[in-house]
This record gives sequence, structure tokens and C-alpha cells, in this order.
Amino acid sequence: GDSVTQMEGPVTLSEEAFLTINCTYTATGYPSLFWYVQYPGEGLQLLLKATKADDKGSNKGFEATYRKETTSFHLEKGSVQVSDSAVYFCALSGKTSYDKVIFGPGTSLSVIP
Amino acid sequence: GAVVSQHPSRVICKSGTSVKIECRSLDFQATTMFWYRQFPKQSLMLMATSNEGSKATYEQGVEKDKFLINHASLTLSTLTVTSAHPEDSSFYICSAPPGGSPGYTFGSGTRLTVV
Repeated sequence: GDSVTQMEGPVTLSEEAFLTINCTYTATGYPSLFWYVQYPGEGLQLLLKATKADDKGSNKGFEATYRKETTSFHLEKGSVQVSDSAVYFCALSGKTSYDKVIFGPGTSLSVIP
Repeated sequence: GAVVSQHPSRVICKSGTSVKIECRSLDFQATTMFWYRQFPKQSLMLMATSNEGSKATYEQGVEKDKFLINHASLTLSTLTVTSAHPEDSSFYICSAPPGGSPGYTFGSGTRLTVV
């Protein structure tokens, strides 16, 4: 079945460091891909998404490109801030808004001053 | 944007009692609501899918008699944890597709602690 794999955490970075969180997926067809962020004690927020190959999702300085050839959707940010400390989930779903979302295991990021 | 309001945010209950969690879509109609459970430091696991006016669909291994889901209207879905036990302590999150494009809007979650 469909699945999402992402790099194990926790990840600890200094402020202004470059961030990469790797995500790869296995799916039949052409899924939509997402990154969600969860701050401590809160629900999930959609960070960015891409719905077709070569699309780049971006938001708040974060970017991810849908790579069909490598089945990847790596999350990047050029300069992280302490406020970016959270858990990041890579996810996929079908093309319609009613398709089930499958989440990766999550990667915890801590940014230290 | 689309908002899902979830209440309560935290609840502590005694073992054997029941707890109801509500999720409301505030500015859109949610014909479908997904209920997830999240254990500490783990990912979200889909428990069930509720559809307005019909029975919920439960994922394999989820006890439907223990986790009662009701989707009474296009803006309200509820999850009732019946006869709660300490192992039911978890973070429960609802989500709904706002429609139009893939991706969900999530509630803020409910931290359930059963003592």
C-alpha cells in the first residue's frame, strides 16, 4: 500500500542554519504531497503542498519540490529560526479532497539560539 | 480560511467514564470528518471516517463500540470514548477536507488523560 518515509529525528540545528528533512513516498498513481507542521501541544497545520510532478510548494521560507523520478518531496529552508522548532510530517493523499491522508512518522526539529 | 474548531482541548476523566469530543467546521460544510489518534512522539493514525447522515467507517483494529462517532450535521462530528481506560489516554485530532483541493484542515486536538 501507499506509504511515506522520512528521516529520523530529532534534528537539532543552530539558528540560521540550513534545514533539509528528507521524505520519500511509495504510491500507486500520482498522489498529492504535503508537509504539515505540529507545534507543541497543538494540532497540525498545512505548511505546503504540491499536486503534480515538478511542482514546488513554498510557505514561510520553506520549500519542497515534487520529484516523481526519485519519489521524493524533501523539505528545505535556508535559514531556520527558533520559532521553527516543531514536528514536521510529510504526507500524501489522492487527488480529491476526500482521499485519506497517509502520514510519515514525523521529524522533530529543535532550533537553538 | 477553512477552520475546524475542536473541543475540549484537554480533558481528564476517571477510568470507566465516557468522554465526548466535538469538532465543528466553522465556515464550510464538512460532509466528511476524519478522526486521528496520536501517541506521544508518534505519527497520526487514522481511526475512522465519519460521513454526514451515514455510519462511520472504522480502520482495522479500532473498536467501533468503544469509539462512537456521530456526524449529525454538515458542521458537527463527535467522537465519544466510552468506558475509558488509561490506555485510551492519547491526543485525538479531527480533520475535514474544506473541498476544492487536496489537503485537510485540522482541529487543534484534544489531550485525553484517563486516571
